[in-house]
Amino acid sequence: AQSVTQPDIHITVSEGASLELRCNYSYGATPYLFWYVQSPGQGLQLLLKYFSGDTLVQGIKGFEAEFKRSQSSFNLRKPSVHWSDAAEYFCAALTGTASKLTFGTGTRLQVTL
Amino acid sequence: DTEVTQTPKHLVMGMTNKKSLKCEQHMGHRAMYWYKQKAKKPPELMFVYSYEKLSINESVPSRFSPECPNSSLLNLHLHALQPEDSALYLCASSQLGTGEQYFGPGTRLTVT
Repeated sequence: AQSVTQPDIHITVSEGASLELRCNYSYGATPYLFWYVQSPGQGLQLLLKYFSGDTLVQGIKGFEAEFKRSQSSFNLRKPSVHWSDAAEYFCAALTGTASKLTFGTGTRLQVTL
Repeated sequence: DTEVTQTPKHLVMGMTNKKSLKCEQHMGHRAMYWYKQKAKKPPELMFVYSYEKLSINESVPSRFSPECPNSSLLNLHLHALQPEDSALYLCASSQLGTGEQYFGPGTRLTVT
């Protein structure tokens, strides 16, 4: 079955440290891939997307993600985390032709000062 | 304008009430979505509208009734809800086929 997996439920990093959030997908073909961020009680904001081409994509707020076909992964990175980055992060994939997003279960990021 | 707006922000309703959630976008997107999100869970797709026509209904109970009056507006009519329907209801829109969905801030619904 098609799925998106985020292995880490909760990650804690110190402010200024680097960050990597993991995402793996299981699809027959390479799907469109996305990372969204959600602050408590808010809607989701699109951080970045991968459709094709360059496997390293840049997003907003200093985030980037790298698509690795051999590992079926699309990990999110940031070189230096700020306290305001504390939020829930969702990886998602577009399935089929119906504009239907499949979300991973999310990773909650906590930032310590 | 890259904003999706939703009203109200918060809604408390009894199990016998009828209420509606509203969503609006002015990005020219022809796909609009309703999601339900429970605490500490990802959003669950409820409905998709393409060109103002319902294209996906994820087996949602009939007490939820969507409506798309025009290309900018999306409503969700609520009737005879259950306490377990309490959740954050998110609206989103996108160009068809891109998956790049823009989300509204959501309506926090509490059913008493």
